[in-house]
Amino acid sequence: AQRVTQPEKLLSVFKGAPVELKCNYSYSGSPELFWYVQYSRQRLQLLLRHISRESIKGFTADLNKGETSFHLKKPFAQEEDSAMYYCALRYNFNKFYFGSGTKLNVKP
Amino acid sequence: GAGVSQSPRYKVAKRGQDVALRCDPISGHVSLFWYQQALGQGPEFLTYFQNEAQLDKSGLPSDRFFAERPEGSVSTLKIQRTQQEDSAVYLCASSFPGLAEGFTKETQYFGPGTRLLVL
Repeated sequence: AQRVTQPEKLLSVFKGAPVELKCNYSYSGSPELFWYVQYSRQRLQLLLRHISRESIKGFTADLNKGETSFHLKKPFAQEEDSAMYYCALRYNFNKFYFGSGTKLNVKP
Repeated sequence: GAGVSQSPRYKVAKRGQDVALRCDPISGHVSLFWYQQALGQGPEFLTYFQNEAQLDKSGLPSDRFFAERPEGSVSTLKIQRTQQEDSAVYLCASSFPGLAEGFTKETQYFGPGTRLLVL
């Protein structure tokens, strides 16, 4: 069965420190993975997807099929990065399976 | 431009009451998704529409849940005889492409959600 695991419910780092939000997945097919972000009092929005190999707001994520991981990284965290982050797996074209989320708190 | 809107934003229902939650997707968006998000969890897929066709309802937790999109735009999620375990935030999302166009470049745009509390 497909599954997405985000092992950390809360991650606190200081401003300027590197940050890595972990995501592991379980899927027998070819995975398509996404990171979504929800800032305080805002709606859920797409941050990035692995297929685009993009860097958004300084964040990158690399799909590692050997380790079945899609960790989100940023070398220097900013206070405005504080938010809830969800890793998501698309399967069967229209279904998305979301992890339980990691709350990132960037301290000044 | 206007994003996805949902109404009501908050709903308190007594156990056993029927509720209807509305979603207005972005104009012209073909695909529409409903999700249920319990407290402390990520969104959980409920159902998917392509225009007016409900192509996937495998995530609906019971036959008390019913969704429709009769004209291919506005969608309604109805919950009959609500139970306490139905308390959650219900999210709607829309995206432009349908299955034919493929999903490679699609982006889901989420609404603000409806917070349902069943007492």
